[in-house]
Amino acid sequence: GAGVSQSPRYKVAKRGQDVALRCDPISGHVSLFWYQQALGQGPEFLTYFQNEAQLDKSGLPSDRFFAERPEGSVSTLKIQRTQQEDSAVYLCASRPQGSMAEAFFGQGTRLTVV
Amino acid sequence: DAKTTQPTSMDCAEGRAANLPCNHSTISGNEYVYWYRQIHSQGPQYIIHGLKNNETNEMASLIITEDRKSSTLILPHATLRDTAVYYCIVRVRSNNNDMRFGAGTRLTVKP
Repeated sequence: GAGVSQSPRYKVAKRGQDVALRCDPISGHVSLFWYQQALGQGPEFLTYFQNEAQLDKSGLPSDRFFAERPEGSVSTLKIQRTQQEDSAVYLCASRPQGSMAEAFFGQGTRLTVV
Repeated sequence: DAKTTQPTSMDCAEGRAANLPCNHSTISGNEYVYWYRQIHSQGPQYIIHGLKNNETNEMASLIITEDRKSSTLILPHATLRDTAVYYCIVRVRSNNNDMRFGAGTRLTVKP
């Protein structure tokens, strides 16, 4: 499809388990964003890539969160030693070159830590 | 980026216009007003944006006050499918960085 694809759509993890969430942006989109959305809240910024460079990771809540985009396309958000407060929807968005264009969001991955 | 204030929730009758307000009293001259919406279980969807002139597209109209301290998103003929959370965001368009979302307005369109 032509949209931003995220997988898995749902993930249940036991507390302490490591998880990896994948984002396939729209082909050719330079910018890629990750957001965390708790139930009933707006999306909270986590990190931003321009191509393979991670230009802003100020929103990552702890050093257990790590994101990469090694070839400037697919991105992975990894959460180590998951905790219950990590339960949320993780959204990925991509945007073409330049900020003149608007961002396109995936459907998100719902992570539940039990 | 400037902060925005929106009502927590609103109702609208199907077929009527939905007018969603947003206050951004600290907006600066180079900041644009953006609107996104998020339908249940989906990612946010871009609706419209503007700087100081009113804007219209196939989805909605955006009315920005002359002093730019507030704006209104108008859905001219709301349908049940417009039930969603609507986010008003202010950002510098030349800023390649992210958009910061608030809590938004939960619009419920009722039959």
